[in-house]
Amino acid sequence: QVQLVQSGAEVKKPGSSVKVSCQTSGGTFKNYAISWVRQAPGQGLEWMAGVIPIFGTSHYAQKFQSRVTVTTDESTRTANMELSGLKSEDTAMYYCATRNVNYSSGSGYRVSRYFDLWGRGTLVTVSS
Amino acid sequence: QSALTQPRSVSGSPGQSVTISCTGTRSDVGAYNHVSWYQQYPGKVPELLIFDVTKRPSGVPDRFSGSKSGNTASLTISGLQTEDEAAYYCCSYAGSHLVFGGGTELTVL
Repeated sequence: QVQLVQSGAEVKKPGSSVKVSCQTSGGTFKNYAISWVRQAPGQGLEWMAGVIPIFGTSHYAQKFQSRVTVTTDESTRTANMELSGLKSEDTAMYYCATRNVNYSSGSGYRVSRYFDLWGRGTLVTVSS
Repeated sequence: QSALTQPRSVSGSPGQSVTISCTGTRSDVGAYNHVSWYQQYPGKVPELLIFDVTKRPSGVPDRFSGSKSGNTASLTISGLQTEDEAAYYCCSYAGSHLVFGGGTELTVL
């Protein structure tokens, strides 16, 4: 059974950066497209960015384009999300979530358009 | 890339049906048959309820159903049960990115 194991909670100062990691245990790393979704206290879910290792591509929500970088390390089956220029409003739970990548001889690689596996979340607190 | 629009809250009595709407644009909900719905209990991780507008993962009761018309998708929960009290989020594929709705709190009276 595949699991997503996220790094531990962080407390950061305004203006600093935070790096959150998400390790896939089980399964084949390149079979997943990994996204980062955040949820501020009492608020809704917000898609931030995603990376598709098998394509070597990453995509960012316009809102976070200038402040977020997503990377992967296939050797450790880990995806990372770094958020810079932290503000108090960035205090949130940060989830990694995966979409499946499937291959068929007729269609090639196709990425599902929904999240079927979520990490347990990493709480990032930004406070002076 | 604006959030999809959902009602902030809905309510119903046990046994009744409720429908939660999710309105987007021609660039997201209206453009793709790739709307998904997630259920989230307080302090818990979201769980997939519906994908590709109408499909249910194994294990999700058939009381949960999805549909779409134009730029609006809907989640219907029939035969409401007390354990359905949770937050519900829609999500749409929008080309290279995805966008969530603001979430709907369901209260089972």
